[in-house]
Amino acid sequence: AQTVTQSQPEMSVQEAETVTLSCTYDTSESNYYLFWYKQPPSRQMILVIRQEAYKQQNATENRFSVNFQKAAKSFSLKISDSQLGDTAMYFCAFSGGGSQGNLIFGKGTKLSVKP
Amino acid sequence: DTAVSQTPKYLVTQMGNDKSIKCEQNLGHDTMYWYKQDSKKFLKIMFSYNNKELIINETVPNRFSPKSPDKAHLNLHINSLELGDSAVYFCASSQVRAEGFLNEQFFGPGTRLTVL
Repeated sequence: AQTVTQSQPEMSVQEAETVTLSCTYDTSESNYYLFWYKQPPSRQMILVIRQEAYKQQNATENRFSVNFQKAAKSFSLKISDSQLGDTAMYFCAFSGGGSQGNLIFGKGTKLSVKP
Repeated sequence: DTAVSQTPKYLVTQMGNDKSIKCEQNLGHDTMYWYKQDSKKFLKIMFSYNNKELIINETVPNRFSPKSPDKAHLNLHINSLELGDSAVYFCASSQVRAEGFLNEQFFGPGTRLTVL
């Protein structure tokens, strides 16, 4: 069974600085997707970034980028130039191939951006 | 326009009651899901429907019954509510690509259920 582990329950960062959130996963599949979702206090789940396992290039979305290490089964999220609005829970998620496609989530990292 | 909507957003009810949560998506997706987020913020899949057919049914009490009248709707009915059912319930949708891989899932705003 696939599992997703986020080892940092809470993190904090100063505004404008860079922070990296860790995620590791376990799977025997060769093709899959990885995601980072953000959940602010409003509780809305917002997709931050996605990575296809067959792509070697790390995904980037503006200030957000990932370090995808397939062999190590690691998928960390880097947030550059942190902003107060980045304060939220961040969830790493895995989706395998096939028709099911449900997301398997890590337990989340609570990120606080301090002014 | 709202992509995935849920009603109600808040639901407070007594133990033993029966309640329903409705979900609708206007994205034209063919797969819909229900997730439960517990008090520790842990999110777990409950059900998944593809083209109105149940494809995932995790270990969920049979008091929970999903119903999909069409591809755009997936409702969740809960019988005999218990204190432990208190949680936030999220509906989500996605589109299965031809090769079997999926686009990202789009989530509704969540329904906070409180059982007293």
